Amino acid sequence: SQKIEQNSEALNIQEGKTATLTCNYTNYSPAYLQWYRQDPGRGPVFLLLIRENEKEKRKERLKVTFDTTLKQSLFHITASQPADSATYLCFGANSWGKLQFGAGTQVVVTP
Amino acid sequence: DSGVTQTPKHLITATGQRVTLRCSPRSGDLSVYWYQQSLDQGLQFLIQYYNGEERAKGNILERFSAQQFPDLHSELNLSSLELGDSALYFCASSVGAGARETQYFGPGTRLLVL
Repeated sequence: SQKIEQNSEALNIQEGKTATLTCNYTNYSPAYLQWYRQDPGRGPVFLLLIRENEKEKRKERLKVTFDTTLKQSLFHITASQPADSATYLCFGANSWGKLQFGAGTQVVVTP
Repeated sequence: DSGVTQTPKHLITATGQRVTLRCSPRSGDLSVYWYQQSLDQGLQFLIQYYNGEERAKGNILERFSAQQFPDLHSELNLSSLELGDSALYFCASSVGAGARETQYFGPGTRLLVL
């Protein structure tokens, strides 16, 4: 079956370090991958989008990569802050209307 | 504030009942998406409408149905409710319907089935 998978274990990281999250997809060819942030009890908020023919995208302290050979996207938060603590969701969409979120990875940034 | 509104915020009902959740998209957005989020399932895509027409279908049960009206608001109808339907239901909207669209999520409706 078509899957988007994220590491279900929470990522605990010290303030100032770089957090790296992984999104893998199987039996699926998303034309775009998006990353969203979700705080408890709230709706997801869009962060970044990357196309399948783009290797890397940046926005402020955030960076996302897309490797179609490895079928993987990496999401980096550099110089992490306690306010970055949240669940980060990977989302894939292809041209045939297959829309799918990963289960999300919780990030906890400690001072 | 994303500009997407959902009502009601909370809903408590009994098994076997039917409820209707309502969503108003951001001004100018033509697409509406519905998602279900429960603790053990993550965010599950249910259905997408674009300008009144069904565009994509996900894991939506036959007991669930949705529609998008001419004024672009959408309703999700859940019938013959079961305990397992208890979840947060999110609506999202986007300008277009394509794979690159950014989705703007509402605050959600928390449904509790007793």
